[in-house]
Amino acid sequence: SAVISQKPSRDICQRGTSLTIQCQVDSQVTMMFWYRQQPGQSLTLIATANQGSEATYESGFVIDKFPISRPNLTFSTLTVSNMSPEDSSIYLCSVSFVGTGELFFGEGSRLTVL
Amino acid sequence: KQEVTQIPAALSVPEGENLVLNCSFTDSAIYNLQWFRQDPGKGLTSLLLIQSSQREQTSGRLNASLDKSSGRSTLYIAASQPGDSATYLCAVHQGGSEKLVFGKGTKLTVNP
Repeated sequence: SAVISQKPSRDICQRGTSLTIQCQVDSQVTMMFWYRQQPGQSLTLIATANQGSEATYESGFVIDKFPISRPNLTFSTLTVSNMSPEDSSIYLCSVSFVGTGELFFGEGSRLTVL
Repeated sequence: KQEVTQIPAALSVPEGENLVLNCSFTDSAIYNLQWFRQDPGKGLTSLLLIQSSQREQTSGRLNASLDKSSGRSTLYIAASQPGDSATYLCAVHQGGSEKLVFGKGTKLTVNP
C-alpha cells in the first residue's frame, strides 16, 4: 500500500481564482491519477499524471483548465484554474504500482467555490 | 463504453445482520475489480481487489466475488456493525487501459 498526503484538505475560494492541490506519496509509484467527485456523484477520472511529460486528459477535461505537473515519482500537483461554482467538488489523488493494478487514494481535497 | 451499476443505492440494516451489495458491469473485458469504502467527506479506502482470473477474495468479515461472464460482483459483509456505515464503491479496471470506471455506490447504514 501507500500513504498519500493531499494539501489542502479543504478550501473555500472565490470565483475566477485558481487553486493548486498537492499530492505526496511515501514511496515511488508507477501511476498517479487525479479524480473529481462532484456532490452526490461518483468519481470521474480527470487525467493521468505522467512523470516529466504532459498529463493524459480524459474526454471533457483540458490542460488549460486543469494543468497537472509530476516532476518525480512521488509528487504531483493539480491546479483548478479560473474557478466557477461548478468546480466545487472533492479532488482526489490516486496511485497504483506495477503488478496488481490496485489503486490507492488520498484523503481528498474538498473545494468550495463561491 | 463500460458502465458500472450498483444496487441498491442505499441500504439500512440492524446491527448483526449479514448483507450483500451488488455491482454489475457491461463489458466483461476487465483487468480487475476493486471494492472501496468512502466515509463522508473523506477519500477512498481499498477493501478488496479481485483479479480477472480470480473468483473471490476475503478480508476479515468481507468477501467479494466476481463472475466475469455475467458481469457481476458481490460484496458480502458478515455480522454488520455500526462502524461499517459508509458508502461502498465498486470500480472496474478496463483491460488495456489505466482507467478505473466507478459505480455510484451503495450507502450503507448499520443501526445499533
